[in-house]
Amino acid sequence: LAKTTQPISMDSYEGQEVNITCSHNNIATNDYITWYQQFPSQGPRFIIQGYKTKVTNEVASLFIPADRKSSTLSLPRVSLSDTAVYYCLVGDMDAGNMLTFGGGTRLMVKP
Amino acid sequence: GAVVSQHPSRVICKSGTSVKIECRSLDFQATTMFWYRQFPKQSLMLMATSNEGSKATYEQGVEKDKFLINHASLTLSTLTVTSAHPEDSSFYICSASRLAGGGFTGELFFGEGSRLTVL
Repeated sequence: LAKTTQPISMDSYEGQEVNITCSHNNIATNDYITWYQQFPSQGPRFIIQGYKTKVTNEVASLFIPADRKSSTLSLPRVSLSDTAVYYCLVGDMDAGNMLTFGGGTRLMVKP
Repeated sequence: GAVVSQHPSRVICKSGTSVKIECRSLDFQATTMFWYRQFPKQSLMLMATSNEGSKATYEQGVEKDKFLINHASLTLSTLTVTSAHPEDSSFYICSASRLAGGGFTGELFFGEGSRLTVL
């Protein structure tokens, strides 16, 4: 299983762009990269998923370099409600191994 | 998006009693569901994979006789914490994956979580 490494915590201010990087040096060919958001006392919520290059949806962008050994979740213009823990998962869902959560990054957005 | 619901959201019980937590996929069929446990300020830890119509697969270090999992239908999985003790107090979260097209969508849908407090 590809192990992931993320910063433990990050601080930001409202309106700023936040970039959270995840390292996954031993990512396998069939592995996808998925990011989840978790608020206190709630289950995680899917944010975005990608395989390579760039993926964008209505809430975030995911940048994946050519070697795929890292990925960066970009949150544009964060608000206080984006304060949460963000998890990066790497694996092959069809193989049933995209299930292991790493430590996550605790993002604190300040006014 | 797909909805996964857990019940109860909170439960308090006495030491030695058993507690059942239900996990339902409301608008899709889930042949596989996953149970996680999360302690305060920590990440989610996968406990077991629940397969409809067959025995659950437990992660290393998780006692199968302590945490009984039943997946009797395509929309319901239950986790029973037997003879609960204070150290079992935790946040239990279920999730399910949904098939689309030729395989999994790659997205896990999580329930709201169930907070168990054992006195």
